[in-house]
Amino acid sequence: AQTVTQSQPEMSVQEAETVTLSCTYDTSESDYYLFWYKQPPSRQMILVIRQEAYKQQNATENRFSVNFQKAAKSFSLKISDSQLGDAAMYFCAYRSSTYDNAGGTSYGKLTFGQGTILTVHP
Amino acid sequence: AAGVIQSPRHLIKEKRETATLKCYPIPRHDTVYWYQQGPGQDPQFLISFYEKMQSDKGSIPDRFSAQQFSDYHSELNMSSLELGDSALYFCASRLLGGHNEQFFGPGTRLTVL
Repeated sequence: AQTVTQSQPEMSVQEAETVTLSCTYDTSESDYYLFWYKQPPSRQMILVIRQEAYKQQNATENRFSVNFQKAAKSFSLKISDSQLGDAAMYFCAYRSSTYDNAGGTSYGKLTFGQGTILTVHP
Repeated sequence: AAGVIQSPRHLIKEKRETATLKCYPIPRHDTVYWYQQGPGQDPQFLISFYEKMQSDKGSIPDRFSAQQFSDYHSELNMSSLELGDSALYFCASRLLGGHNEQFFGPGTRLTVL
């Protein structure tokens, strides 16, 4: 089974500064997807960014970028120019590709890390 | 654009009562997922349905059951409720396929007293 670990329970950053959230995972699969979700106080789960394991290029979405190290099984999120609205719980998540290692169809459940609470100071 | 709808948004029950949570996926999405998020915890996968058939099962207690109906909406039935069942229950839907994302509903907050 896949596991996802976020070793930083809490992080803080000054407004306009840059912060990096860490995530490591364990899997025996070669093809999979990784995600960062944001959960603000409203508790809505919002997709921030995703990375496909077969792509070597790191994903970028505006101020959000990832550092994907497949061999090290590491998937960190960098938030640049932090804004007060970035304050939230951030979850790293893993999803198998279409087929699992046994050749069966993977229906795409998400496995989440424990989460990192990000505080943004004005 | 249409989103995932969950009802009710809040539910308060007594111990040993039953609860039914409903989920209406995005139109044309063929896969529905249920997750449970306890206080201060990460969402845990409970169960999923693809084309109205159970497709995967996670850490769902035997007291819980779920199904997906012909109109693709899904219901999570919870019986003999315990205090520990108090949590936020998310439904997500997706069109099965490698690149397609899961879209989450707003969640149902269940409180068991």
